[in-house]
Amino acid sequence: KQEVTQIPAALSVPEGENLVLNCSFTDSAIYNLQWFRQDPGKGLTSLLLIQSSQREQTSGRLNASLDKSSGRSTLYIAASQPGDSATYLCAVRHSRLAGNKLTFGGGTRVLVKP
Amino acid sequence: GAGVSQSPRYKVAKRGQDVALRCDPISGHVSLFWYQQALGQGPEFLTYFQNEAQLDKSGLPSDRFFAERPEGSVSTLKIQRTQQEDSAVYLCASSAGRLAVSYEQYFGPGTRLTVT
Repeated sequence: KQEVTQIPAALSVPEGENLVLNCSFTDSAIYNLQWFRQDPGKGLTSLLLIQSSQREQTSGRLNASLDKSSGRSTLYIAASQPGDSATYLCAVRHSRLAGNKLTFGGGTRVLVKP
Repeated sequence: GAGVSQSPRYKVAKRGQDVALRCDPISGHVSLFWYQQALGQGPEFLTYFQNEAQLDKSGLPSDRFFAERPEGSVSTLKIQRTQQEDSAVYLCASSAGRLAVSYEQYFGPGTRLTVT
């Protein structure tokens, strides 16, 4: 059974500092990995999707890496801003034959202090 | 519509009542998913539709939970005889493409269910 873990569970940094969020998964037979942002009382906003054949994806200040063999992904957010405060979730999609559901980690709650 | 919509946004039910939660996916999206998110945790998969066919319902926690998508667009998640442990946010997501493996899932705002 696939298990996804996110460490740390919570993170508080001063504005301007770079953020590093970690995600690990137990079964490397994934098809892709997706990072989401969730604001309180809101749904999930997709940030980055990395296919299993890719090593990283970048969008603006966000960069996500994937090391499938070691079961790890890292989300980097450069020059953090108070507006980056939210919960960040990673999720893996199993191999094609195993279906289409996403398995989520527990999330990392981020607070960026002005 | 521009995104996935869900209604109601908030629902309070007394223990034992039946509830129905609605999801309107992005127009033209073939795949639809339901997830349950308990407070402080990540979402957990409930069920998956491809058009009107329910292809995976392995995450439904009990036979009190039932989902349908009769015309391949709008979906309803029904919970019978609600219990306090059913209190959670119920998220709906849709995805384009027949296989929906490489396509992203787009999530709605969720329905927060509180069972008293």
